[in-house]
Amino acid sequence: EPEVTQTPSHQVTQMGQEVILRCVPISNHLYFYWYRQILGQKVEFLVSFYNNEISEKSEIFDDQFSVERPDGSNFTLKIRSTKLEDSAMYFCASSYGSSNQPQHFGDGTRLSIL
Amino acid sequence: GQQVMQIPQYQHVQEGEDFTTYCNSSTTLSNIQWYKQRPGGHPVFLIQLVKSGEVKKQKRLTFQFGEAKKNSSLHITATQTTDVGTYFCAGSGATNKLIFGTGTLLAVQP
Repeated sequence: EPEVTQTPSHQVTQMGQEVILRCVPISNHLYFYWYRQILGQKVEFLVSFYNNEISEKSEIFDDQFSVERPDGSNFTLKIRSTKLEDSAMYFCASSYGSSNQPQHFGDGTRLSIL
Repeated sequence: GQQVMQIPQYQHVQEGEDFTTYCNSSTTLSNIQWYKQRPGGHPVFLIQLVKSGEVKKQKRLTFQFGEAKKNSSLHITATQTTDVGTYFCAGSGATNKLIFGTGTLLAVQP
């Protein structure tokens, strides 16, 4: 069964540094998402992406965050200047249709900011 | 903004007992989805409900969407140790943004 893949599985970064999290969505899916989950808490929506542009974003997704689909397969999340509170698990997800369709999640990237 | 709450936060049952988690949204939802997240894992889609009052079953799992489309429930009959994990409801309303509930962590003692 096709799956969403994320790299790296764990990223350790110094506060203030830039980090790029990478995702390869399922190939025929059209909608892509990033979520964040702080340890032991709920899954929080960050951003959705469709047709090469952001379709929706949450209040968490401020100017420090950006997303890009640099080629036909990758979908990236960049955090420009990381803060301690950015430490969390970041999940990428994709769906064939919009958010009223099932979303398929990757295994996540654990981001640790020191 | 839209909030989705779940109760209970945590439930510990003996294997074979039933389990129910309840999901309540502050706003009317266009649809509700349920996901299961095993410890250390990622959310895995279980089911989607769209119609008011809809009830769907998957083996020992029964999902219900409220008449007002603001609440939902998941009931597991005769729990097994493989049911362990956190169950999240997730709803979308006027926008396509999917808002996850606070989750219910289920522990099953053999």
